[in-house]
Amino acid sequence: DAKTTQPNSMESNEEEPVHLPCNHSTISGTDYIHWYRQLPSQGPEYVIHGLTSNVNNRMASLAIAEDRKSSTLILHRATLRDAAVYYCILRDVLPRSGNTPLVFGKGTRLSVIA
Amino acid sequence: AAGVIQSPRHLIKEKRETATLKCYPIPRHDTVYWYQQGPGQDPQFLISFYEKMQSDKGSIPDRFSAQQFSDYHSELNMSSLELGDSALYFCASSLIKGGRESRETQYFGPGTRLLVL
Repeated sequence: DAKTTQPNSMESNEEEPVHLPCNHSTISGTDYIHWYRQLPSQGPEYVIHGLTSNVNNRMASLAIAEDRKSSTLILHRATLRDAAVYYCILRDVLPRSGNTPLVFGKGTRLSVIA
Repeated sequence: AAGVIQSPRHLIKEKRETATLKCYPIPRHDTVYWYQQGPGQDPQFLISFYEKMQSDKGSIPDRFSAQQFSDYHSELNMSSLELGDSALYFCASSLIKGGRESRETQYFGPGTRLLVL
């Protein structure tokens, strides 16, 4: 899996938007960009994923650079419950038997201030 | 909706003892993954199974073994426990046969916290 780089930590005020960056300059053409988060004392949780186009779901938005070498996870209004470690992970889309495991990097620890 | 179930949630063992962790995937899910997360560390992949066959192998020690049963639940067997095995063990499941979108998502359980004394 290609390597990703994220800031160690970020801080946000409650109810403000948060932009979490991820660099993946060695991404291949067949890599999906995935985001998972891990709340304190819980298992990781899927947030969003995309390939080339920007994606939106009920949790967040994913903005992907045109050259795909970076992406940004956007939380539109941070709440205290969004305080977690956010992981940006690349996964190959090529079909195969079973599925590739997630390779977690260091992630970004997001703190939300009331 | 049903989630991934792991048991036990907490386990305390002595060095050199054995432990068995169980994982019950979301109903109809065909793939199970095991991850280990040491204190202050990020989750690390151990092993996975698809349709009861080993699919991928990560940094799983030779002292550990795992299998997936006919009902798709999985067990992680750990022998000759060491202090360094103290960690959170997460199981995740996904549905590969459901198509590309469904197999892109892994659903994690709450984890088993293992403490080796």
